[in-house]
Amino acid sequence: EAQVTQNPRYLITVTGKKLTVTCSQNMNHEYMSWYRQDPGLGLRQIYYSMNVEVTDKGDVPEGYKVSRKEKRNFPLILESPSPNQTSLYFCASSFERMGAVYNEQFFGPGTRLTVL
Amino acid sequence: GNSVTQMEGPVTLSEEAFLTINCTYTATGYPSLFWYVQYPGEGLQLLLKATKADDKGSNKGFEATYRKETTSFHLEKGSVQVSDSAVYFCALTLGPGNTDKLIFGTGTRLQVFP
Repeated sequence: EAQVTQNPRYLITVTGKKLTVTCSQNMNHEYMSWYRQDPGLGLRQIYYSMNVEVTDKGDVPEGYKVSRKEKRNFPLILESPSPNQTSLYFCASSFERMGAVYNEQFFGPGTRLTVL
Repeated sequence: GNSVTQMEGPVTLSEEAFLTINCTYTATGYPSLFWYVQYPGEGLQLLLKATKADDKGSNKGFEATYRKETTSFHLEKGSVQVSDSAVYFCALTLGPGNTDKLIFGTGTRLQVFP
């Protein structure tokens, strides 16, 4: 089954304790992205990756890191989490078709993170 | 800048009622427009799309028409069901060469009661 998976689905942690949220897709997509969803703000892009070893900042990258060592995986790293990073996080992926009018993004099920 | 504005929720309806969720956008160039749906506990799913002016996207009884003159993409359904209860997001991408970044509205929660 074609899908985007995220782990963990739920995480409660404390301020300053490093954590990683994993994202994996089995559709051979070039493009992957992380969003955070907050009430009244919708989804905002944190980081994205156009392909292996190519990553760039989205709209709200502060406090986050990413890596893209393999095409299928795109982990989100919080080196020193803070309470303002409490949010619902979504990973997404899509094909990167040059010249296409749009490329449909497929979303993972979400990771609900609480930082105390 | 580029942005999407949606009506505030929640929208509360009885089963079989008519649904409209308003969405307007501000964008440079030729955006593509989308409605995504998020069912409880799940990720976002693409509901429908329109890639140029006057296109009508449709799926599962939902429809939305890309209106360039009013910069709108309102979501409609003639008869909602309890199973339509979800959060609906209007979104856009900025067209060829910039198709990957989705810009979302704040989402509208729909609650349908029997």
